[in-house]
Amino acid sequence: QQQVKQSPQSLIVQKGGISIINCAYENTAFDYFPWYQQFPGKGPALLIAIRPDVSEKKEGRFTISFNKSAKQFSLHIMDSQPGDSATYFCAATGNAGNMLTFGGGTRLMVKP
Amino acid sequence: DAGVIQSPRHEVTEMGQEVTLRCKPISGHNSLFWYRQTMMRGLELLIYFNNNVPIDDSGMPEDRFSAKMPNASFSTLKIQPSEPRDSAVYFCASSFRAGGRNEQFFGPGTRLTVL
Repeated sequence: QQQVKQSPQSLIVQKGGISIINCAYENTAFDYFPWYQQFPGKGPALLIAIRPDVSEKKEGRFTISFNKSAKQFSLHIMDSQPGDSATYFCAATGNAGNMLTFGGGTRLMVKP
Repeated sequence: DAGVIQSPRHEVTEMGQEVTLRCKPISGHNSLFWYRQTMMRGLELLIYFNNNVPIDDSGMPEDRFSAKMPNASFSTLKIQPSEPRDSAVYFCASSFRAGGRNEQFFGPGTRLTVL
């Protein structure tokens, strides 16, 4: 059973635009929500993460928005660049430890 | 630091053969994870070790899959016998667990093709 649902599966954005990827979770025990970025031929790498005690976290052009009541969180990429073209995974973990449950992934293409 | 090291990077084998994938975690990390990535099923956690002890293997698809971690610097994932549906990219990741949630560092993966 998929516990983290991610949308869209693919996304095409023009350079300079805003990319938005959404995730929804079911397990209320989740308390840590990282986003991973994966380039072709590489393993995923941590991009940014948030805990549910804040509603937003920003690092450079990347922002996570978190809605605890709706059990949803999203990644916003401002001023999207061709170098941002990659697959993005949301994930979640709870008091089970370090085990991550990943969303299905979003393939982002930023057109120059 | 060299990061998580996986070998081989690519493996092509025939159905029924034994396949062994290897992983060297980052020195000092005490948690190790094996994942499988396919287009159909995305990124799936297969098994998780903490301090060399398997903690959760509920993601291991069936008895054909086995994983070991004989010491803190080495782990193997074995498939015997292999089947075409095992074709995927297998990732190893490691982290240092110290109470809170800690970043998982992924290796470059092993692309397995079973003919």
